[in-house]
Amino acid sequence: DAKTTQPNSMESNEEEPVHLPCNHSTISGTDYIHWYRQLPSQGPEYVIHGLTSNVNNRMASLAIAEDRKSSTLILHRATLRDAAVYYCILRGPYTGANSKLTFGKGITLSVRP
Amino acid sequence: DTEVTQTPKHLVMGMTNKKSLKCEQHMGHRAMYWYKQKAKKPPELMFVYSYEKLSINESVPSRFSPECPNSSLLNLHLHALQPEDSALYLCASSQGTTHYYEQYFGPGTRLTVT
Repeated sequence: DAKTTQPNSMESNEEEPVHLPCNHSTISGTDYIHWYRQLPSQGPEYVIHGLTSNVNNRMASLAIAEDRKSSTLILHRATLRDAAVYYCILRGPYTGANSKLTFGKGITLSVRP
Repeated sequence: DTEVTQTPKHLVMGMTNKKSLKCEQHMGHRAMYWYKQKAKKPPELMFVYSYEKLSINESVPSRFSPECPNSSLLNLHLHALQPEDSALYLCASSQGTTHYYEQYFGPGTRLTVT
């Protein structure tokens, strides 16, 4: 399975942008990059996903490097509620084992008021 | 309604007990999942059901027995568990099992085995 590498933790200030990096140097051409986050005492929740082009949704933006070996999740204005563990996950395009959600250690984001 | 509900929220059981965890969704999703999460670790996939049939079993010990009685319900039957099975058990659902479909997670059942 292609793996991802994320820093253990990051701190940000409230109302400032946050850039969460993820390295996936062994990504295959058909792997999609997914981000989930897990708020304290809750189950994980989907944030965003992409293949090659940068993606935006109401929660965040995903910037994908041209060679696809890294990506960055961007929270445009961090709030205290964004403090969570953020997981960068590669998923294949097919059903079954290929597209399982395999969580790595994730990056713990702390937000200072 | 994008909610996955899990009952009970907390469960304490002895090693000789038999208990069940329940998960329910009413989003019309045809894929349902069980994950196990130990303290300060990421969730680990246990089972995947697709159209009420077991499609993935991640070599989970037989003391964990999943059941999908209909498309909205997923159970996890527990028997003769060990203290190391104490964890947060998360249920999730999605429209399908490909990457197109995001998974919606419930809040989990926190299980303690004594």
